[in-house]
Amino acid sequence: GAGVSQSPSNKVTEKGKDVELRCDPISGHTALYWYRQSLGQGLEFLIYFQGNSAPDKSGLPSDRFSAERTGGSVSTLTIQRTQQEDSAVYLCASSLWSYQETQYFGPGTRLLVL
Amino acid sequence: GENVEQHPSTLSVQEGDSAVIKCTYSDSASNYFPWYKQELGKGPQLIIDIRSNVGEKKDQRIAVTLNKTAKHFSLHITETQPEDSAVYFCAAVQTSLQGAQKLVFGQGTRLTINP
Repeated sequence: GAGVSQSPSNKVTEKGKDVELRCDPISGHTALYWYRQSLGQGLEFLIYFQGNSAPDKSGLPSDRFSAERTGGSVSTLTIQRTQQEDSAVYLCASSLWSYQETQYFGPGTRLLVL
Repeated sequence: GENVEQHPSTLSVQEGDSAVIKCTYSDSASNYFPWYKQELGKGPQLIIDIRSNVGEKKDQRIAVTLNKTAKHFSLHITETQPEDSAVYFCAAVQTSLQGAQKLVFGQGTRLTINP
């Protein structure tokens, strides 16, 4: 069956521009997660959705970052006024219900801010 | 908050030998400890997990051990093969004062299997 998909796979943008990253989770998965992975680093938690609501936004680095999820499915992560330090791979994952289950990761979006 | 320390950061072993990666955590309430494998250019993939009601779990060449008293858990890979070369991440569940839970990942171990 289809796994988690993310688009675009690569994004190059200029400093100060806004970008939107998309995640399509596995059908039927209630929980959706966004992580950031800087070069050679671990996974940094950004935000978690249960259905369409985000009970934990504690990982968003600044108010330039926002995310939404509609219809309990597709999620978008928006970064406004991008900075060079935003360059990283943004990973999306989904699980059936909660953290204590397998998280299925997408391939990520590699963002480069020039 | 939860702090997950993972070591070593890099590990190189000869094909056929065993590899061990260790993690420590700080949140004594943690009760779920997954291990993920990330191959180049791909997202992480769960390879094994353990819950706090058991001390060891095996799946073919992979095993995980958990010591809740000492707050550490380890990944053991036996009879290593070239396809085991990847970055491995441990994780633990952190519960906030408000009851929200999230996975906190270690910094990763780059495992290289030498033929």
